[in-house]
Amino acid sequence: AQSVAQPEDQVNVAEGNPLTVKCTYSVSGNPYLFWYVQYPNRGLQFLLKYITGDNLVKGSYGFEAEFNKSQTSFHLKKPSALVSDSALYFCAVRDPPGYSSASKIIFGSGTRLSIRP
Amino acid sequence: GAGVSQSPSNKVTEKGKDVELRCDPISGHTALYWYRQSLGQGLEFLIYFQGNSAPDKSGLPSDRFSAERTGGSVSTLTIQRTQQEDSAVYLCASSLDVTEQFFGPGTRLTVL
Repeated sequence: AQSVAQPEDQVNVAEGNPLTVKCTYSVSGNPYLFWYVQYPNRGLQFLLKYITGDNLVKGSYGFEAEFNKSQTSFHLKKPSALVSDSALYFCAVRDPPGYSSASKIIFGSGTRLSIRP
Repeated sequence: GAGVSQSPSNKVTEKGKDVELRCDPISGHTALYWYRQSLGQGLEFLIYFQGNSAPDKSGLPSDRFSAERTGGSVSTLTIQRTQQEDSAVYLCASSLDVTEQFFGPGTRLTVL
């Protein structure tokens, strides 16, 4: 069964500095990986995904994530943080089609990102 | 519609009452998911519908929870004999097969 871990409950970064939000995963086959963001009192918004291809994927709002198969990680990054990036971030994973568990998308517990001016 | 919609946005009920939560997915999306999110916490998978296939109900926490999807579109999540621990935000999402999900704004359920 697939699983995903976000080891940090909270990440604090100064505005203008680079940020990293960590995610590690476990799946049966080649993973489908996703990052979502949740702003206060709002639903989740899709940021980016890795299905196949280039290990570095770029997404919305200047975010990017690097797929590392050997370390089973998919860390979210941004070169220069903005105060408006402050939100709750979720990593998610699913098995590829063909696996009995492929229907489920499993979400991590979330990391609260706080950007100070 | 342009996005996933859910109704009601807020629901306050008394312990023991039944509630129905509704989700309207994006038109044409074949997959529909229900999740539960407790205050400030992660998402708990509840149930998944894909086309005409049998739903994956493996995440439903008890037999008080059920869901249906009529005509491959609108879905209703029903909670019978609600308990205080059922209080949470219930999120619905839809997608085209294995692509990214699009989430609705959620229904905040409070059981008194």
